Amino acid sequence: DARVTQTPRHKVTEMGQEVTMRCQPILGHNTVFWYRQTMMQGLELLAYFRNRAPLDDSGMPKDRFSAEMPDATLATLKIQPSEPRDSAVYFCASGLVYGRTEAFFGQGTRLTVV
Amino acid sequence: TQLLEQSPQFLSIQEGENLTVYCNSSSVFSSLQWYRQEPGEGPVLLVTVVTGGEVKKLKRLTFQFGDARKDSSLHITAAQPGDTGLYLCACCARDDKIIFGKGTRLHILP
Repeated sequence: DARVTQTPRHKVTEMGQEVTMRCQPILGHNTVFWYRQTMMQGLELLAYFRNRAPLDDSGMPKDRFSAEMPDATLATLKIQPSEPRDSAVYFCASGLVYGRTEAFFGQGTRLTVV
Repeated sequence: TQLLEQSPQFLSIQEGENLTVYCNSSSVFSSLQWYRQEPGEGPVLLVTVVTGGEVKKLKRLTFQFGDARKDSSLHITAAQPGDTGLYLCACCARDDKIIFGKGTRLHILP
């Protein structure tokens, strides 16, 4: 049963701490997306990768957020330092580009910064 | 400017009723996707529509892509409590990145 796996599912941290969220995409998928979901803004695209190369991270606050794919089975999203306004659900999705891309989502990481 | 505008934002109806939700844009798309998201879960792809005027059915759900490929609708017949969730439309911006509308939050009352 192929699925995108995200860890941790929940994270509560204090303001100023570093947060790392991890994602294992579906084997064989060549595209990875990071989204942030809030009630006010909906699903916002933060960054995405094709064949492990970053294609677009314009949706990400550059001063505190970073996204990487150290290998084909792992994508990471880091926030340093974290702020209360970063509280949201962060989703990773993977897909396979074949003319059009369809996204398969993980269950998300619910981040609370206090 | 939101690329995809969804309406209504919220909808609460009785079990057994029919409903339609909409996804509109000023841009022309090569394809458009509909996802459903349940609480505590990630969105799940329901359907992709590709051709202008295309209609796809998934049990009691009917998806239509506008002739000009700038809008889409989702019609649910005889809504069930299990249809409750957030319905999102999405499309590919340049470089095949997927952008989502803000969704329609649907609640079916038993």
